[in-house]
Amino acid sequence: DTAVSQTPKYLVTQMGNDKSIKCEQNLGHDTMYWYKQDSKKFLKIMFSYNNKELIINETVPNRFSPKSPDKAHLNLHINSLELGDSAVYFCASSQDYASGGRTSTDTQYFGPGTRLTVL
Amino acid sequence: AQKITQTQPGMFVQEKEAVTLDCTYDTSDPSYGLFWYKQPSSGEMIFLIYQGSYDQQNATEGRYSLNFQKARKSANLVISASQLGDSAMYFCAMRKSNFGNEKLTFGTGTRLTIIP
Repeated sequence: DTAVSQTPKYLVTQMGNDKSIKCEQNLGHDTMYWYKQDSKKFLKIMFSYNNKELIINETVPNRFSPKSPDKAHLNLHINSLELGDSAVYFCASSQDYASGGRTSTDTQYFGPGTRLTVL
Repeated sequence: AQKITQTQPGMFVQEKEAVTLDCTYDTSDPSYGLFWYKQPSSGEMIFLIYQGSYDQQNATEGRYSLNFQKARKSANLVISASQLGDSAMYFCAMRKSNFGNEKLTFGTGTRLTIIP
C-alpha cells in the first residue's frame, strides 16, 4: 500500500559511473518531484514533472536527467557520478489542482528516499 | 524569492510537555502555503500539517497545531503533550500558491529531542 516508492533505498557506487533511481506513486497524482537532501539535511528541489512534462528544472547539472514514462513514474538518471552527488534523493508527488479531484491541501507526499554514496 | 528561516537548530524537551518550533518566512506573493514535515531517524519525510495564506483559522491535526501569524510572517508548529516518538528533525516549508504544483522551499530544520 506504499503511496510513493523509490528503488533502490541505498546506492553505493564509484565515481564516474552512471546510475538510475526509480520512483513510482499510486496516489493518482499528476505532478512528481525530485528533491536532494545534502549532508547538512538541507532539502532542495531539483525537478518537477506534470503529466510527463518537465515544469521545474532548478539549475541542476546536465548529468542529471529525469524521465517520466507516465504520470505515475519519475526516474532520475545520473551520468558520470561525482563525489558531490552523495546525498539522499527524495521523490514526491502531489495532485494538480487544475486537473480536479484535488486534495484540500494539495500536499506533496514524499517517498522513503534513496541514499546515494559516491566513492 | 521565498525564504524560510528556522532559528532553532536543536531543542530538548521533557516528555509530556508542549513544544513550539519556530518558523518565519519571507515572500512577496499574496498566495502561498506553509507546511511542516517530520523526518525521524529512519529518514522518511512525513507530512504533518498545512496552512494556507488565506485560511482564517490556525490549522490543527491531532497533537499538532500551527500558530499562523501572517503579519509577523511566522508559522510556528506546536506539539502538545510531547512523546518520545516525536524525537526527529522538523522542517518548515513554503509553496508559492495555495494550490498547484509549485516547488517547496524548505528551512534548515530543527532537531527535536524528547527526554524521558
